[in-house]
Amino acid sequence: EADIYQTPRYLVIGTGKKITLECSQTMGHDKMYWYQQDPGMELHLIHYSYGVNSTEKGDLSSESTVSRIRTEHFPLTLESARPSHTSQYLCASSDDTKAGTQYFGPGTRLLVL
Amino acid sequence: GNSVTQMEGPVTLSEEAFLTINCTYTATGYPSLFWYVQYPGEGLQLLLKATKADDKGSNKGFEATYRKETTSFHLEKGSVQVSDSAVYFCALSGAGGGYQKVTFGTGTKLQVIP
Repeated sequence: EADIYQTPRYLVIGTGKKITLECSQTMGHDKMYWYQQDPGMELHLIHYSYGVNSTEKGDLSSESTVSRIRTEHFPLTLESARPSHTSQYLCASSDDTKAGTQYFGPGTRLLVL
Repeated sequence: GNSVTQMEGPVTLSEEAFLTINCTYTATGYPSLFWYVQYPGEGLQLLLKATKADDKGSNKGFEATYRKETTSFHLEKGSVQVSDSAVYFCALSGAGGGYQKVTFGTGTKLQVIP
């Protein structure tokens, strides 16, 4: 059973606000990821991390930023939310022993008004 | 680069019907192949996987066989249930060590009606 948590599950916020989406995992995985999932269901990798103090941008350009100060924690921050940021955000983690298997959190559904 | 192509949905089936969702891939080397499932309001979860050619992954009545000659990993189930209604993603993970980027297909929505 995967233990990866995301909060909040739903967030409605006004334009210009700063928000942080939380993601934590208790599996001790080194690698963590953030995906943006559009209404058409397709997943887009926006950030990933190899481990503590390592962060990289993904395939889809995003105005968000991430940090990895602790192995278990990988928060995503939007300094100034805009309606174009409205989407579902999925966090995931993996280790090298499961042939690339990723474990996903339940997601945060963000609506920016 | 790596890519995954899966059949477009939505797929609508009656309960107890046979399911096939096609998935083909392009990759160098010998990737691992996966099917993930996403139920409404949830994140993705691993359904099954195969790590080498001719391997068959299976779980909850679903099966998929890693076919290197046809670069395919089609998902099948002999008798679907209403509870199988979800979005199914085919994915691959590149071979080799280090960061194993996962490439996802675009997802296929399955609706099973009673």
